Amino acid sequence: GQSLEQPSEVTAVEGAIVQINCTYQTSGFYGLSWYQQHDGGAPTFLSYNALDGLEETGRFSSFLSRSDSYGYLLLQELQMKDSASYFCAVSILDDSSYKLIFGSGTRLLVRP
Amino acid sequence: DAGVTQSPTHLIKTRGQQVTLRCSPISGHKSVSWYQQVLGQGPQFIFQYYEKEERGRGNFPDRFSARQFPNYSSELNVNALLLGDSALYLCASSHSGGDGYTFGSGTRLTVV
Repeated sequence: GQSLEQPSEVTAVEGAIVQINCTYQTSGFYGLSWYQQHDGGAPTFLSYNALDGLEETGRFSSFLSRSDSYGYLLLQELQMKDSASYFCAVSILDDSSYKLIFGSGTRLLVRP
Repeated sequence: DAGVTQSPTHLIKTRGQQVTLRCSPISGHKSVSWYQQVLGQGPQFIFQYYEKEERGRGNFPDRFSARQFPNYSSELNVNALLLGDSALYLCASSHSGGDGYTFGSGTRLTVV
């Protein structure tokens, strides 16, 4: 089966840096994505890693290590508006079937 | 450019009834995926369609079905509704079904 693990909650202070980890156990893996979702809103795509290494997009960076089945999302210069749920999601090709499997999400609370 | 549009935004149905949810992808996107999100959990993959063909199916009963039309819009049908089908149903589109999905705002289905 497929499984993803990420912390359920993280709290950080405005202006700080926070890292949200994600470990996964899947077959047919070909990429790791991160999505942000505010309460009552739709998930918004943040980043995608298909290869090992760091991808940087503004204040957000995402890292992948395929050999360790591990990735993380790094948020810098935290702002109050970053308070939201963050989901890691693995893209898999399973018996000619494409799937995007989400983790349970990490609720980030940014305090003043 | 319009994003992913879903209709209706909210829906209340009675147990045993049938429901049809609709999704229009971003112009130029040929892949549409459907997800079910229960409060406090990550989106659960239901279906993926690409070029009008089913490319992926999640672990949902046969009461759930979908199709994609020549204009790449899609419908999700759920028969014999159960109370447990109450959730936010999300549609996501992408160019090729790989990375970078764009989600619609969802349809909130309540089964009473």
